[in-house]
Amino acid sequence: GENVEQHPSTLSVQEGDSAVIKCTYSDSASNYFPWYKQELGKGPQLIIDIRSNVGEKKDQRIAVTLNKTAKHFSLHITETQPEDSAVYFCADLSNFGNEKLTFGTGTRLTIIP
Amino acid sequence: DVKVTQSSRYLVKRTGEKVFLECVQDMDHENMFWYRQDPGLGLRLIYFSYDVKMKEKGDIPEGYSVSREKKERFSLILESASTNQTSMYLCALGGGYNEQFFGPGTRLTVL
Repeated sequence: GENVEQHPSTLSVQEGDSAVIKCTYSDSASNYFPWYKQELGKGPQLIIDIRSNVGEKKDQRIAVTLNKTAKHFSLHITETQPEDSAVYFCADLSNFGNEKLTFGTGTRLTIIP
Repeated sequence: DVKVTQSSRYLVKRTGEKVFLECVQDMDHENMFWYRQDPGLGLRLIYFSYDVKMKEKGDIPEGYSVSREKKERFSLILESASTNQTSMYLCALGGGYNEQFFGPGTRLTVL
C-alpha cells in the first residue's frame, strides 16, 4: 500500500525563525497533498493543501511545495509564533477512486519564545 | 461550523470488555472514518464508511468492527478489548479532495 514518510519527528525553532517539515510518498498516482495541524487536546485540522498540477501554494505565513518527480512535498512556516506549536501531519491521496488519505507519522513542532 | 462529536474524551476499560466508541456528525456527509493515533505511528485508518450500512476496511482493521445504521452516526466496536488497543481514537468525516473534519478524539486505556 501507499507509504508516506515524514521528517523530522520533532522540531524546535526559535520564535521568528522558519520551520520546514518534509514528506515523501511512494504512489506515483498520488495527486492531492494536504497538511493538518493538531493542537493539544484537539483533532487535526486542515491548514493548507496542494494538488499535483501546482508546484507551490502559499497562505500568509505557510507555504507548501511539491516536487512530483522526486515524490516529495514540504511545509514551510515563516516568522514562527508560539501558536504554531503543534503536531503537523502530511498526507496524500491516490487518484484511484477512493476517498482515503494516507497520513505521515507526524512532526511535533515547538516554538521557543 | 462542522460538528463532529465523539461520545467520550477519556475511557478506561478492562481486557476482554466489549467497547463502543460513537461518533456523530451534523453535516449529512456520506464518508466517515475511524483512525487510531499512536506516537511515532501517526494516524492509521481502521475502517471507513461511504454510506449507511456500507463499510470498508482500512489499514489496521484487526480486532475492530464498525456499524453505520444511520447516516449521522458511525460506531467503532472493540469486540474484546486488549491492552494493545490502548490508544487515541479519532473520528473524521469528509475525505477525498475535500477537507476531513476530525472529532476531538477518545483516549482509550485498556487495563
